Amino acid sequence: QSVLTQPPSASGTPGQRVTIFCSGSSSNIGSNTVNWYQQLPGTAPKLLIHSNNQRPSGVPDRFSGSKSGTSASLAISGLQSEDEADYYCAAWDDSLNGPWVFGGGTKLTVL
Amino acid sequence: EVQLLESGGGLVQPGGSLRLSCAASGFTFSNYAMSWVRQAPGKGLEWVSTIGGSGGGKYYADSVRGRFTISRDNSKNTLYLQMNSLRAEDTAVYYCAKENIVVVTGNNWFDPWGQGTLVTVSS
Repeated sequence: QSVLTQPPSASGTPGQRVTIFCSGSSSNIGSNTVNWYQQLPGTAPKLLIHSNNQRPSGVPDRFSGSKSGTSASLAISGLQSEDEADYYCAAWDDSLNGPWVFGGGTKLTVL
Repeated sequence: EVQLLESGGGLVQPGGSLRLSCAASGFTFSNYAMSWVRQAPGKGLEWVSTIGGSGGGKYYADSVRGRFTISRDNSKNTLYLQMNSLRAEDTAVYYCAKENIVVVTGNNWFDPWGQGTLVTVSS
């Protein structure tokens, strides 16, 4: 059971906008920033969003992140077939859970 | 270019030991905390352990505390994970990751990640 809660799956058609949510608590998302990682099939995770809404260089602006209270979300607009991957949220946790906690991951399928 | 290259994975019997290594290049290794994160087959990511840049500040997940030891050799730009008393549930791909931090805000994140090394615990 992951400390951060994500839906196990999400889907959309090419060109659509998809949002993946991540729910936590006051000791993690509520008091620290959220990061998102993309894991393409058979590869290592890659940083997608850090500090709630910051995109590293090279990440398309179709990807955006936000945080409110103890929840965060990752939005993907203009969905493309190459976006089909697993997405994980993560945050520092100030309680005995941590220091790092991850969501269980959301498998995004592009229909 | 920042690169992380893990090695040392393999097949080990339950109760056995293994030492993983992560060779780092492209950055001043001693300035950064480093972590191990694992992924069991078909499962999600699980944080395992973190060590501060100077070798202090070691943290462990409850699932490995007392069995795993994280360490680093800054003269060799290498991170280690000594795994003892291995169990079937430790079977996973183990990734090392560099922890980046913005000191003024405390914001931190993992980037990059190595390619991973597979540890299989089975008789």
